[in-house]
Amino acid sequence: QQQVKQSPQSLIVQKGGIPIINCAYENTAFDYFPWYQQFPGKGPALLIAIRPDVSEKKEGRFTISFNKSAKQFSLHIMDSQPGDSATYFCAARGSGGGADGLTFGKGTHLIIQP
Amino acid sequence: DARVTQTPRDKVTEMGQEVTMRCQPILGHNTVFWYRQTMMQGLELLAYFRNRAPLDDSGMPKDRFSAEMPDATLATLKIQPSEPRDSAVYFCASGLAGTTEAFFGQGTRLTVV
Repeated sequence: QQQVKQSPQSLIVQKGGIPIINCAYENTAFDYFPWYQQFPGKGPALLIAIRPDVSEKKEGRFTISFNKSAKQFSLHIMDSQPGDSATYFCAARGSGGGADGLTFGKGTHLIIQP
Repeated sequence: DARVTQTPRDKVTEMGQEVTMRCQPILGHNTVFWYRQTMMQGLELLAYFRNRAPLDDSGMPKDRFSAEMPDATLATLKIQPSEPRDSAVYFCASGLAGTTEAFFGQGTRLTVV
């Protein structure tokens, strides 16, 4: 059972455009929703995260929108740059507290064309 | 420069051989995770430890996989015997209980032929 569904699988956007990656979850006990960025040959790295008590969080050019009633959240990248080309994973964590294991979406391979 | 260190970075082995992957978590972190990444399944949680005790290994095939933390600075993931379907990138991550971020190592790319 896939608890976090991510779309699209791949995305190509022109430089300056706004790629949007969507995720949906099923488990209402999830209380922490991070996005990770992964470059080839590297491990995933935390990009930005949100908790369900807010509807939006912005850090630099990256914004998470969160819809608790729909159990959906999305990542928006403003003024995208070729250096943003990477694989992006959404994730969710249960309410057990502490650094418990994350459930990841299957990833979106993003290409920003110059 | 605090980071999670994994060895080896790459491993090619023959089917049936034992494989051991090692992870040095960030000093002071008390939670360690093992993930497996494949194209088909994405990132899957195999097991995780807190204060060296296994908390959840439900994602790990028990018949051939084992995970241990001999001490606070070393976590190991062992596959015996290895099979071609185990080919994947294995990531170790560490974190601090009470916080939310998990820091990933660079992974071990395992190829079983």
